[in-house]
Amino acid sequence: GENVEQHPSTLSVQEGDSAVIKCTYSDSASNYFPWYKQELGKGPQLIIDIRSNVGEKKDQRIAVTLNKTAKHFSLHITETQPEDSAVYFCAGLEYGNKLVFGAGTILRVKS
Amino acid sequence: SAVISQKPSRDICQRGTSLTIQCQVDSQVTMMFWYRQQPGQSLTLIATANQGSEATYESGFVIDKFPISRPNLTFSTLTVSNMSPEDSSIYLCSVKRGDNTGELFFGEGSRLTVL
Repeated sequence: GENVEQHPSTLSVQEGDSAVIKCTYSDSASNYFPWYKQELGKGPQLIIDIRSNVGEKKDQRIAVTLNKTAKHFSLHITETQPEDSAVYFCAGLEYGNKLVFGAGTILRVKS
Repeated sequence: SAVISQKPSRDICQRGTSLTIQCQVDSQVTMMFWYRQQPGQSLTLIATANQGSEATYESGFVIDKFPISRPNLTFSTLTVSNMSPEDSSIYLCSVKRGDNTGELFFGEGSRLTVL
């Protein structure tokens, strides 16, 4: 089955700087890769996703890139703000509609 | 997206008791799932809640411990049976609509503490 590894486990950046979180996956058949943001005491919120037929997708300050050959995808947050502080999870869609999640990254944006 | 309501949002339970968590969605969805998130950890799929039939459990999870019901396309329950402190976790209901986008939406979770 699918295995998703996520790095780093924690990331501290200064407000206004960029943040990058990377994930690798094992199943070359996976074709859908979402990113979730989880704030303290809340459920995970889908913030952006990418499918295997595109290499990059942007939505305002966030973007996701996908390298199918290397089997890795990354979340990029530009001009970080304190409200970006949260735990971020990547995931890969395994055969049979099952999402497999990475271990999570705690992002701290220092003002 | 779908509006997903979970009850209770949190509870403190005694060892050996059972607790049922409810998940209500504001629209019909094709697939409903239950996840567990242990303290400081990632999300682990417990089971897929199948409408009108027995749930499909992932490796390491069994029906006797986590019985699940799904009587219709908008409602599901998860029971955590004979609880021990190791069951202290956030339990999350999630849904996928029937439009093949793959998008999975989560409720706010039910935070259980077992003493």
